[in-house]
Amino acid sequence: AQKITQTQPGMFVQEKEAVTLDCTYDTSDQSYGLFWYKQPSSGEMIFLIYQGSYDEQNATEGRYSLNFQKARKSANLVISASQLGDSAMYFCAMRELTGGGNKLTFGTGTQLKVEL
Amino acid sequence: GAVVSQHPSRVICKSGTSVKIECRSLDFQATTMFWYRQFPKQSLMLMATSNEGSKATYEQGVEKDKFLINHASLTLSTLTVTSAHPEDSSFYICSARDSGVRRTQYFGPGTRLLVL
Repeated sequence: AQKITQTQPGMFVQEKEAVTLDCTYDTSDQSYGLFWYKQPSSGEMIFLIYQGSYDEQNATEGRYSLNFQKARKSANLVISASQLGDSAMYFCAMRELTGGGNKLTFGTGTQLKVEL
Repeated sequence: GAVVSQHPSRVICKSGTSVKIECRSLDFQATTMFWYRQFPKQSLMLMATSNEGSKATYEQGVEKDKFLINHASLTLSTLTVTSAHPEDSSFYICSARDSGVRRTQYFGPGTRLLVL
């Protein structure tokens, strides 16, 4: 079974609009961390935001926020006020702190295109 | 965020030669570094986990004699692709994990390897 599922291969959004990128995960660990990374065409993986499984509040970093719904095992990324420079591939990842060997597992990614 | 450098950014080599890729954490010490491989339009696949001063741990299906990893110091890990063949052509990305509470992984800019 997939540990990280990103069901949207591609998303389009208009500039200045908000967009939500979906991510669901599967784990039996009680302690885990969820990450979002951005990968522009240059290839570099840029860390965006982190949510710990015990964090009670949703993580926010500037225009990025993580809609963490633990019971549903979802960790959607919300980008507000989209900019042309947000066009990139976005990966959701999870690190299980006990059963997963403390390694990052990535989803298949969502290609976001911001349009004028 | 923390800075991880990777060198070279691109390399073209002839089949049968060996290629060394360096990964450095520039502003923090990393006891653990990771090496990933990414094919076009696909997610990152973990190849191995590199621990300073000890042998690397390879993922299932990764040939340890072909992909030699050395983690000689807290800021440097190297990946050597030995006797490279065209099927080894790929995008190789290293990552270093900080020692903070989140233990966030920061990624290098990647190395595009083309084996002719």
